[in-house]
Amino acid sequence: NAGVTQTPKFQVLKTGQSMTLQCAQDMNHEYMSWYRQDPGMGLRLIHYSVGAGITDQGEVPNGYNVSRSTTEDFPLRLLSAAPSQTSVYFCASRRQGSYNEQFFGPGTRLTVL
Amino acid sequence: AQKVTQAQTEISVVEKEDVTLDCVYETRDTTYYLFWYKQPPSGELVFLIRRNSFDEQNEISGRYSWNFQKSTSSFNFTITASQVVDSAVYFCALNFGNEKLTFGTGTRLTIIP
Repeated sequence: NAGVTQTPKFQVLKTGQSMTLQCAQDMNHEYMSWYRQDPGMGLRLIHYSVGAGITDQGEVPNGYNVSRSTTEDFPLRLLSAAPSQTSVYFCASRRQGSYNEQFFGPGTRLTVL
Repeated sequence: AQKVTQAQTEISVVEKEDVTLDCVYETRDTTYYLFWYKQPPSGELVFLIRRNSFDEQNEISGRYSWNFQKSTSSFNFTITASQVVDSAVYFCALNFGNEKLTFGTGTRLTIIP
């Protein structure tokens, strides 16, 4: 199993550009989520999905879109990048059930100039 | 609302010393789940332990131990005989069943050889 994979590992954008961060998992997990990690703020939930076709907002959803057309994939779209979106982004997945631990991808370091 | 507080931003100890990382949580729910994750310098997030609100038994795994006390809403993590490989950022997290895992801001632990 590859687990949770994310691409790219690093990305530099200019303000106003759009892009998609890719996330895939091969563990057949129902639940997937996106977090951003900023210094001194821990990990904050952006969006999550409890299954294909179902998504919901987390704590900091503004400026991001998600969709879940398959169980395996959960891309995160930045519509118009802003410097405030400079962060490290983590995708995670787990089996259904809040008691289950999350498996995290390796992260994407995004810089918006 | 649920909240996780890790008041210790950074801790440094000399190798072989014991160290305790504090985690205090707030939730109105009676059923909830607590987690600890480790983030080594390489950046990935690694699951360490899960505890549900009905199980107040302390847990020991090798040099790691966890003390869960509902009376003080705390879920503290102790490393005995610390090693350089324990240097990492440690996150405590809380989920009370609404699919949204709430993280603390993390404690950066540095083990000095």
